[in-house]
Amino acid sequence: SQQGEEDPQALSIQEGENATMNCSYKTSINNLQWYRQNSGRGLVHLILIRSNEREKHSGRLRVTLDTSKKSSSLLITASRAADTASYFCASRASGSRLTFGEGTQLTVNP
Amino acid sequence: EAGVVQSPRYKIIEKKQPVAFWCNPISGHNTLYWYLQNLGQGPELLIRYENEEAVDDSQLPKDRFSAERLKGVDSTLKIQPAELGDSAVYLCASSLGGPTTEAFFGQGTRLTVV
Repeated sequence: SQQGEEDPQALSIQEGENATMNCSYKTSINNLQWYRQNSGRGLVHLILIRSNEREKHSGRLRVTLDTSKKSSSLLITASRAADTASYFCASRASGSRLTFGEGTQLTVNP
Repeated sequence: EAGVVQSPRYKIIEKKQPVAFWCNPISGHNTLYWYLQNLGQGPELLIRYENEEAVDDSQLPKDRFSAERLKGVDSTLKIQPAELGDSAVYLCASSLGGPTTEAFFGQGTRLTVV
């Protein structure tokens, strides 16, 4: 398969809790990106972390990258019902191909 | 600024019929992608263009799928003939180009083959 793996496949939490999603990829990368997709909509870019970075923050989002393990995690703090969506990681190798994982379906209950 | 525009949003066709999807990327974006997304799965790359050149089409089933990007702007993706297994969402995305740029996605075209 061209895709990496994400876990969990589905995550259900209460508003205010933190949500952590993990992603693994297969090849050496230039950067790794996280996208969000609301039901029936296109994907929206959230954050990009370069291969020489280990951690990056954007608002309530925190992304980590471990290139030795070929893995990344996305943490959403103080979750809100509006964060309910599918979240995908996408790895970009040197040739500019953007390869997506299977995604995590996050449900935040009010 | 307008985002990536795709049409139609929905398409229902009978198997063995042809179908075409259209994409208008963000102005100035050199890179254009077509992805296929099955329900509950991540997008899978079909083809990537740099301007009008298809630079990555190894995942495109060339026996029935074709794509073009005339003048390096708009793009069309065609399936002929369509099969039941082609039912999916077809996503178009564009980016400025280069490895550190983000991709901007259209709303997608949901294809149902009956």
